[in-house]
Amino acid sequence: QPVLTQPPSSSASPGESARLTCTLPSDISVGRYYIHWYQQKPGSPPRYLLNYYSDSDKGQGSGVPSRFSGSKDASANTGILVISGLQSEDEADYYCMIWPKNGYVVFGGGTKLTVL
Amino acid sequence: EVQLVESGGVVVQPGGSLRLSCAASGFTFDDYTMHWVRQAPGKGLEWVSLVNWDGSRTYYADSVKGRFTISRDNSKNSLFLQMNSLRTEDTALYYCAKDLLRYGGSSFDYWGQGTLVTVSS
Repeated sequence: QPVLTQPPSSSASPGESARLTCTLPSDISVGRYYIHWYQQKPGSPPRYLLNYYSDSDKGQGSGVPSRFSGSKDASANTGILVISGLQSEDEADYYCMIWPKNGYVVFGGGTKLTVL
Repeated sequence: EVQLVESGGVVVQPGGSLRLSCAASGFTFDDYTMHWVRQAPGKGLEWVSLVNWDGSRTYYADSVKGRFTISRDNSKNSLFLQMNSLRTEDTALYYCAKDLLRYGGSSFDYWGQGTLVTVSS
């Protein structure tokens, strides 16, 4: 089954933008999949942020600020979560997820985002 | 308000069995696919299993196939996970999660707080 690759850690300063990546294996194309993103803070369950297929086909979780957005980089076969106007409360682990086939779900290994 | 409340997590010996439950409220339970996702201590998320809206279709991660069984009782708004032949590597916090869609294939928009399963001798 495919492995989604996320950098173990990332950091940015308050007010800046953070760009978190989720790279798919070369044998499957990011263009074919919805990328789902979750945020998890210590001691809490994951929180659904958004899903992204294209600019015209995407969804935002209930109550999730618009400064959280998704995109794709087809040349890098990567899904991207952008957090603009970083706040200290955004410090958390972030996970991507796809459905590579019907009835099967894969999570990335997660990225720990530090707000400096 | 959507609520998912898991229960049943305990300490169990390797080779033992356990049944987890998830009580759902605040939404029309039988309109949605439901999932179990686990997280080993200090590790990332691992999808475990799903059941579609009416219980007619179930799917499993390779790591639990043949050992775990997912089921639901729509009359009681409840989701279950029967876990047999438990291994130490099954030690994790088990989350119940709701799919955005009736037939699955989408995001998990609500999660419970989790129930801890520890497999140890």
